[in-house]
Amino acid sequence: KAGVTQTPRYLIKTRGQQVTLSCSPISGHRSVSWYQQTPGQGLQFLFEYFSETQRNKGNFPGRFSGRQFSNSRSEMNVSTLELGDSALYLCASSAGTAGTDTQYFGPGTRLTVL
Amino acid sequence: QKEVEQNSGPLSVPEGAIASLNCTYSDRGSQSFFWYRQYSGKSPELIMSIYSNGDKEDGRFTAQLNKASQYVSLLIRDSQPSDSATYLCAVIRGGGSYIPTFGRGTSLIVHP
Repeated sequence: KAGVTQTPRYLIKTRGQQVTLSCSPISGHRSVSWYQQTPGQGLQFLFEYFSETQRNKGNFPGRFSGRQFSNSRSEMNVSTLELGDSALYLCASSAGTAGTDTQYFGPGTRLTVL
Repeated sequence: QKEVEQNSGPLSVPEGAIASLNCTYSDRGSQSFFWYRQYSGKSPELIMSIYSNGDKEDGRFTAQLNKASQYVSLLIRDSQPSDSATYLCAVIRGGGSYIPTFGRGTSLIVHP
């Protein structure tokens, strides 16, 4: 079974631009969660989608948004990029409830904001 | 103030020894606890989950949870150089809301 895939793997943007990241979960998984990982703050939860509905949201500004499609693929959008948005963005999928079901992480998208 | 605390390390242990990783959390309502392993340049992978007080063993790994003292630990027996990685502790409050809080991780180095 194929793992979680994320595209693109690397991205360079400038301040003020917007970016869209994509995540394809493991086949059959309905939950997709997004995380931001930085050396300073560590791994932080952004949001979780389940069956096209946002089920949980972390403490990030509204510039960070996401959505999930009927095939469970998910996208994350960051508008008006800031230098501090430079990070590794990880998505993780699980079969059901992310709180109890095992989450499988994708390889991540490395975003650099100049 | 960070809600999940881990010693950043590095924790250095000889091959074959027991590595002990600790994590404390501030939210007494926390119900679910996870240990992830993250190799350098790679994504985290779940190695243990624990939900009730006591010990939970899986192969060379043992997770220990003490809710009264608000700590969770991970023991790695017979440590191998391949165990060298950063170990992340994650805590979920539960109650219908899944928002995990991660510690910043402990770097473990197992030297031959």
